[in-house]
Amino acid sequence: QVQLVQSGAEVKKTGASVKVSCKASGYIFTNHGITWVRQAPGQGLEWMGWVSTYTGNADFAQSLQGRVSMTTDTSTSTAYMELRSLRTDDTAVYYCARWGFSWNDGDWFDPWGQGTLVIVSS
Amino acid sequence: SSELTQDPAVSVALGQTVRITCQGDSLRNNYAAWYQQRPGQAPLLVIYGQNNRPSGIPDRFSGSSSGNTASLTITGAQAEDEADYHCNSRDSSGKHQVFGGGTKLTVL
Repeated sequence: QVQLVQSGAEVKKTGASVKVSCKASGYIFTNHGITWVRQAPGQGLEWMGWVSTYTGNADFAQSLQGRVSMTTDTSTSTAYMELRSLRTDDTAVYYCARWGFSWNDGDWFDPWGQGTLVIVSS
Repeated sequence: SSELTQDPAVSVALGQTVRITCQGDSLRNNYAAWYQQRPGQAPLLVIYGQNNRPSGIPDRFSGSSSGNTASLTITGAQAEDEADYHCNSRDSSGKHQVFGGGTKLTVL
């Protein structure tokens, strides 16, 4: 079955960086992009950006430009999200999801990884 | 602030029908997708596109759209439908994605 499995929880200090992995299985990795979404405690979902698993090109939410990078390793079907210069308000659960798209039905994200809790403390 | 607006909370009696809405100008040109999120779990896609349900999603879930409003309807709500529901679409530029603030559904 199609599955995304993420790396484990992280605790970081302000100013540090974190890198979260997302390993895909059950489908051809390069046929779908990967998107990253985060959720601060008690808050809604925030789209962070996406990476093309075919070209490696990425695009990010304006609010994260300059602090985030998204990469892939096609040899292991794994996507990575790195967030730098961490702040306390970056504390959140970070999710990866497979990006689906069609001209008839637009965009959708399915399935999602289990989430990775990142805690940033000063 | 989000470009997609959802009511923070909605309630429905067991077995009744409930509509959860999502408003935003970008919805005039883009479909919404809907995600169910139970406490402590990852979001789960329930509706996307014109009105598509992924495999395993009960047919009591349906989607529709009119003007700047997308709707998720649950016909005959069940106790297990109690969850947060998030809408998602492209933003006004069409290049990026955006989520609504989420609606907490309570089944009474």
